Amino acid sequence: KAGVTQTPRYLIKTRGQQVTLSCSPISGHRSVSWYQQTPGQGLQFLFEYFSETQRNKGNFPGRFSGRQFSNSRSEMNVSTLELGDSALYLCASSLSNGYSPLHFGNGTRLTVT
Amino acid sequence: KNEVEQSPQNLTAQEGEFITINCSYSVGISALHWLQQHPGGGIVSLFMLSSGKKKHGRLIATINIQEKHSSLHITASHPRDSAVYICADSGGYNKLIFGAGTRLAVHP
Repeated sequence: KAGVTQTPRYLIKTRGQQVTLSCSPISGHRSVSWYQQTPGQGLQFLFEYFSETQRNKGNFPGRFSGRQFSNSRSEMNVSTLELGDSALYLCASSLSNGYSPLHFGNGTRLTVT
Repeated sequence: KNEVEQSPQNLTAQEGEFITINCSYSVGISALHWLQQHPGGGIVSLFMLSSGKKKHGRLIATINIQEKHSSLHITASHPRDSAVYICADSGGYNKLIFGAGTRLAVHP
């Protein structure tokens, strides 16, 4: 069974630009959650989608948004990029919404210059 | 204040030693996760538990709901166990609150 796939693996953007990251969950998994990891703040929860609905959202500004498609693939978008958005963005999928083990992708490393 | 506290922050061990990493959380949980992160960023879920004890190979995770405390034990540690171990409190719907992580180095 294929694991969680995140694309792209690496991305370099300029301040003010926007970026879209993609996450393809394990087949059959309906929950996709997104996390940001930085050296200063560690791992932080961004949002979680289940059956195309956002079920929970972390404490991030509105520049961070996401969506989930009917095939459970998910995208997250960051608009008006800031230097502080440089981070490793991880997604994870699971069978249900909070009571099944999480399977993480390898992440997208975003650098904002 | 981080609602999930881990100790120690850094840990160095000799191959074969028994290792314990501790995690305290301050809010009620639906599940407590133990994660392993290797250099390069990939995260592997080791355990998800809401009560008692779980064992997988040389790894054992325990949780005490009353004391809001969990421990991860590694028996007969090996250099390949070198990684960052992270505990996370699940507030529901995979809204994880993460600890800062414990960096483990196991030397041959």
